[in-house]
Amino acid sequence: DIQMTQSPSSLYASVGDRVTITCRASQTISIYVNWYQQKPGKAPQLLIHAATSLHSGVPSRFSGSGSGTDFNLTVSSLQPEDFATYYCQQSYRDPLFGGGTKVEIK
Amino acid sequence: QLHLQESGPGLVKPSETLSLTCSVSGASISSGPNFWAWIRQPPGKGLEWLATIYYTGDTYYNPSLESRVAISIDTSKNQFSLKLSSVTAADTAIFYCARRPWDLIGSVFDSWGQGILVTVSS
Repeated sequence: DIQMTQSPSSLYASVGDRVTITCRASQTISIYVNWYQQKPGKAPQLLIHAATSLHSGVPSRFSGSGSGTDFNLTVSSLQPEDFATYYCQQSYRDPLFGGGTKVEIK
Repeated sequence: QLHLQESGPGLVKPSETLSLTCSVSGASISSGPNFWAWIRQPPGKGLEWLATIYYTGDTYYNPSLESRVAISIDTSKNQFSLKLSSVTAADTAIFYCARRPWDLIGSVFDSWGQGILVTVSS
């Protein structure tokens, strides 16, 4: 099985901060990584697919990078509505999600 | 606009079978070529993919649950369903239905239902 190790599990940040979340795959998975945002009581929402492609309607402050085993989700300037939990997901084999990163207000 | 809505009992007894339905509006399941999936999330925990079905009826299951899970599609009602047998308290979760679009690389879930909490308890 391909494991996805997401870090950090939580972080504190301020509005305007640049934030980067990392996912590492246990084996190379090309660009088969997607990123989701989940707010409390809501379903996850797709942000990034195929490692770097911004999903329709997602603000451009969100970006994805990486290939192979190491992937990043970056928020260039954190906005109040961005405080949420973020999940990576590999789609190289059976879908598997990372453990999540909770972004909280500093 | 695509809309997915889960329905089913919110409480299931241990050892029984959990049955959920996802009603799809804004798109026809039978016209293809999308995939449709179930994903769950235990309260306060992460996400776990359960199963995916293609509009043709081809199915794909999480190997860790394959012996207990079944996904099916009813094109006449524009719905797809999940059955999870022999449930225990560990199966208590929010269950989401989602679409995997055909035109995005890999298993990407771009539209989700609001989720339904199912509690397993006697």
